[in-house]
Amino acid sequence: QQQVKQSPQSLIVQKGGISIINCAYENTAFDYFPWYQQFPGKGPALLIAIRPDVSEKKEGRFTISFNKSAKQFSLHIMDSQPGDSATYFCAASSKRGATNKLIFGTGTLLAVQP
Amino acid sequence: KAGVTQTPRYLIKTRGQQVTLSCSPISGHRSVSWYQQTPGQGLQFLFEYFSETQRNKGNFPGRFSGRQFSNSRSEMNVSTLELGDSALYLCASRGDLPPYEQYFGPGTRLTVT
Repeated sequence: QQQVKQSPQSLIVQKGGISIINCAYENTAFDYFPWYQQFPGKGPALLIAIRPDVSEKKEGRFTISFNKSAKQFSLHIMDSQPGDSATYFCAASSKRGATNKLIFGTGTLLAVQP
Repeated sequence: KAGVTQTPRYLIKTRGQQVTLSCSPISGHRSVSWYQQTPGQGLQFLFEYFSETQRNKGNFPGRFSGRQFSNSRSEMNVSTLELGDSALYLCASRGDLPPYEQYFGPGTRLTVT
């Protein structure tokens, strides 16, 4: 019940296309859903995050869509660029005021072809 | 503001040895968490500290331990190293106020031979 399932494992998108990564969870106590981007040799960098009281959040080319009833959330990268090529992780946590613990998905390796 | 710093960046140890990794959080952040990242298990939560107290612990053996100092800097220690401990160890710091976003350091790459 603590798992976050992420798909696809890898994704190839043409430059200018839309990249879509999906995550699903079981624990209804989760109340915070961040996405992280990680380049080789670097630590994960926070991209965008959402709480379950909103269905969508957009920051630049990155959008999180959240479906509370389906217990699913997804990351959309619009106008994908070669510089977006990285590994993307979704995550979830609960009781954020009391704990930092993040449960991570397994990651999606995105390659944007020029 | 300077980001999260971790030292050393790379480390090679032999089975049976012990290792200590260090993390300095973002200035003003009192909360520090540690994660282990491996190709097989992904990103897994080790433990977290807040104001020098361990607040939560992941499902790792007792060989993994940590502590936090009064200046919020944190160390983690792994004793009796095993080959399977080879991983990227990540430290993250978090502010005290909402939205409680966590920021990761670059990690320490530990190789056990």
